[in-house]
Amino acid sequence: AQTVTQSQPEMSVQEAETVTLSCTYDTSESDYYLFWYKQPPSRQMILVIRQEAYKQQNATENRFSVNFQKAAKSFSLKISDSQLGDAAMYFCAYKGRGSTLGRLYFGRGTQLTVWP
Amino acid sequence: DAGVTQSPTHLIKTRGQHVTLRCSPISGHKSVSWYQQVLGQGPQFIFQYYEKEERGRGNFPDRFSARQFPNYSSELNVNALLLGDSALYLCASSPKESYGYTFGSGTRLTVV
Repeated sequence: AQTVTQSQPEMSVQEAETVTLSCTYDTSESDYYLFWYKQPPSRQMILVIRQEAYKQQNATENRFSVNFQKAAKSFSLKISDSQLGDAAMYFCAYKGRGSTLGRLYFGRGTQLTVWP
Repeated sequence: DAGVTQSPTHLIKTRGQHVTLRCSPISGHKSVSWYQQVLGQGPQFIFQYYEKEERGRGNFPDRFSARQFPNYSSELNVNALLLGDSALYLCASSPKESYGYTFGSGTRLTVV
């Protein structure tokens, strides 16, 4: 079964600094997607960034970038120039392209605090 | 364009009762999925529907059921509510099974 592990329940960063959130996953599938979602107190899950496993190039979205290490099954999120609005719960998620197509597997989340 | 809309936003039910949660996907999105998020945990997959057919079911008891209508909106039904069903229920839609999902703001269900 696919599992997603986020080993950091809480992280904090000062405004304008950089922070990295960790995520590891376990799967026997060779083709899949990985996502980082942000959930602020408003509860809505917001897609931050997406990575396709067959692409070697790490995805970037403005201040957000990932370090995807397929062999190590690691998918970390780097937030540069942190802003107060980045404070939220961040979830790492996996979606296979085989029999589990359509199903997202989430980690337990990392609560990010941004200090002014 | 409207996002994924869920109703109601909050509700309180008594143990043993039945509840129906509703979801309207983004226009043009044919895939709808339901997730349960217990406080302090990540969302857990309940169901996925694509083109009105069930495409996946998570590890939830038969008290949980769902359906998708011709306009692609969806309902999640939970019978014989237990205290442990108290959670945030999230609906997500996607244009295709292989795309990423857009989530609604959820329905907060409290069972007393």
